[in-house]
Amino acid sequence: QKEVEQNSGPLSVPEGAIASLNCTYSDRGSQSFFWYRQYSGKSPELIMSIYSNGDKEDGRFTAQLNKASQYVSLLIRDSQPSDSATYLCAVNGGYSSASKIIFGSGTRLSIRP
Amino acid sequence: GAGVSQTPSNKVTEKGKYVELRCDPISGHTALYWYRQSLGQGPEFLIYFQGTGAADDSGLPNDRFFAVRPEGSVSTLKIQRTERGDSAVYLCASSSLSGPYEQYFGPGTRLTVT
Repeated sequence: QKEVEQNSGPLSVPEGAIASLNCTYSDRGSQSFFWYRQYSGKSPELIMSIYSNGDKEDGRFTAQLNKASQYVSLLIRDSQPSDSATYLCAVNGGYSSASKIIFGSGTRLSIRP
Repeated sequence: GAGVSQTPSNKVTEKGKYVELRCDPISGHTALYWYRQSLGQGPEFLIYFQGTGAADDSGLPNDRFFAVRPEGSVSTLKIQRTERGDSAVYLCASSSLSGPYEQYFGPGTRLTVT
């Protein structure tokens, strides 16, 4: 069983709409959760981190964490064409906070004008 | 400040050859990580350093892969007797050990084994 699951997409969202990206993870002991954005041919760029249940907002991005359901999501409001990328959900995979990260395979997001 | 840097950006080598990939972390980041990414997949963990020592090398696929960080800063990933299946993008990341533990990636080295 994969440890971090994401829908591979592509997810197509009209410009200006809300894009909703979802992720589930298998290790109940995970403490740290991350969303990375990756443009084609580039390396992953950290856009959000979340450590406790609830919502965390940063500009147009909101990360949501529900540890009981082992579920993480990312909402992108007012989607722009520049948001078109692959979004990687990631979960820390060790017993300490500084440890390896387990990545999902990513969801491809396409914002259509 | 400067981010994580990796050299070379691209490396083409023949099957059976030895390669070294270098990573220079963000200044002050004590933790350094190596991952590799194949097309259509998320990065896959290889090894993690705290300072000079490997704290977790559980992701190294076999004994052809080795990494060092002798002075606790720059790290080198070494691959012996390369195989075509080693072709991937090798990513390095660094983080603070005192929190937050967010990992920041370098631009990667694209390794192609012919």
